[in-house]
This record gives sequence, C-alpha cells and structure tokens, in this order.
Amino acid sequence: DIQMTQSPSSLSASVGDRVTIVCRASHGISSWLAWYQQKPGKAPKSLIYDATSLQSGVPSRFSGSGGGTYFTLTISSLQPEDFATYYCQQYKSYPHSFGQGTKLEIK
Amino acid sequence: QITLKESGPPLVKPTQTLTLTCSFSGFSLNTSGAGVGWIRQPPGKALQWLGFIYWDDDKFYSPSLKNRLTITKDTSKNQVVLIMTNMDPVDTATYYCAHRNFDAFDFWGQGTMVTVSS
Repeated sequence: DIQMTQSPSSLSASVGDRVTIVCRASHGISSWLAWYQQKPGKAPKSLIYDATSLQSGVPSRFSGSGGGTYFTLTISSLQPEDFATYYCQQYKSYPHSFGQGTKLEIK
Repeated sequence: QITLKESGPPLVKPTQTLTLTCSFSGFSLNTSGAGVGWIRQPPGKALQWLGFIYWDDDKFYSPSLKNRLTITKDTSKNQVVLIMTNMDPVDTATYYCAHRNFDAFDFWGQGTMVTVSS
C-alpha cells in the first residue's frame, strides 16, 4: 500500500496569510493526487485533482503543485471560510489512500 | 447536477451485517468511465478509502477490509450498495459515497453515521 503523509498536522494562520500544506507519498504516484477540504460535520469538498487541476468552482487562491512523491497545496491569501481540515489522496494504486489530514486554524 | 445520498441504519450490533445504499442522480453507472466509491471516517479521525465500483462492474476493495466488504450496483435504480459483515465497534464511523472523477472524487454524499454497539 502507498502511505500518504501530510505536514504539518495542524497549522495556525491569519486571514490574508499564504499557507502551504505538504503531502508526501511513500512511493511515486506521478500526478495521481487529489486535495479535499472538510469543515466540521460536513462532507469533504473536492479542491484539486491530478495534482494541479482546480475543480470547477474552486477559488483561484487554491493551487496544487508537485509530482512523484512530493506535493503541495497552497492557499495564496487565506479567507475566513478556508479554515478547515485538508486531506490529500493518491489514486495511483489501490487502495486509494488518504493522508492523515492537516487542520488549519485561525491564529 | 450530480448528487449522492447515503442511507442505512444508524445503529448496528457487533457481529451484525451493515448494508448501506448510495442513491445518486445526475449520472449513470451505465456510462463508460463512471464509478462510485465508498469512504468512511471514524469520529475525529481521517478519511479511509473502502472501495470502488466501476461502470463495467469492476470492483476494488481495501485489502484490510476485503474479506468483509461487498459493493454492488443497481443501474436501473441508480444505486450502489455497500455490505460490510461482522461489524465491530471500531467500524463506528460516518460512511460516504462519492462520484468518480479521474479516480479521485468530485461529488460526495452528505454521509451517514453508523454506530456499532450492543
């Protein structure tokens, strides 16, 4: 199985900050990576697929980069509605594992 | 507009079998490339991928749960069913179904909470 490791596990930031979340895969996954945002009590929301492609309707302040084993999710200017937990997911090979999540909190 | 909704019992006893239904609209599992996945999330914990069913009835399961999981589809009803046997308290979680997009997920159901307790 491919293990996905996110860092940091939690992060405090302020509105307007630029933040980056890292996701590492235990084996190379090319660009087969997605990012999701989840707010408390809600289903995850798709942000990015294929490592860099923005899902329809997602604000352009979200961006994804990377390939192979190293990936990042960047929010260029944090908005109040961005405080949530973020998950990466690989879909290169089964099982399509998720990272453990990164909780983004208000400073 | 793609929508999905999970339904099933909120409470099951240990050793019982769980059956969850994902009812969807806005796409057909008869269409080449379509797929639906199941994911769960124990309270306060991370998402866990459970399995996937494709339009051609190909199925993939989490190895750790493979012996207990079955996913089937009913294309006439626009439903996907997850069956998990021998339920245990550690299986307490919110269970989600989601629509395939390049093998990731773009649309998710609201989730259904299942508690395993005697």
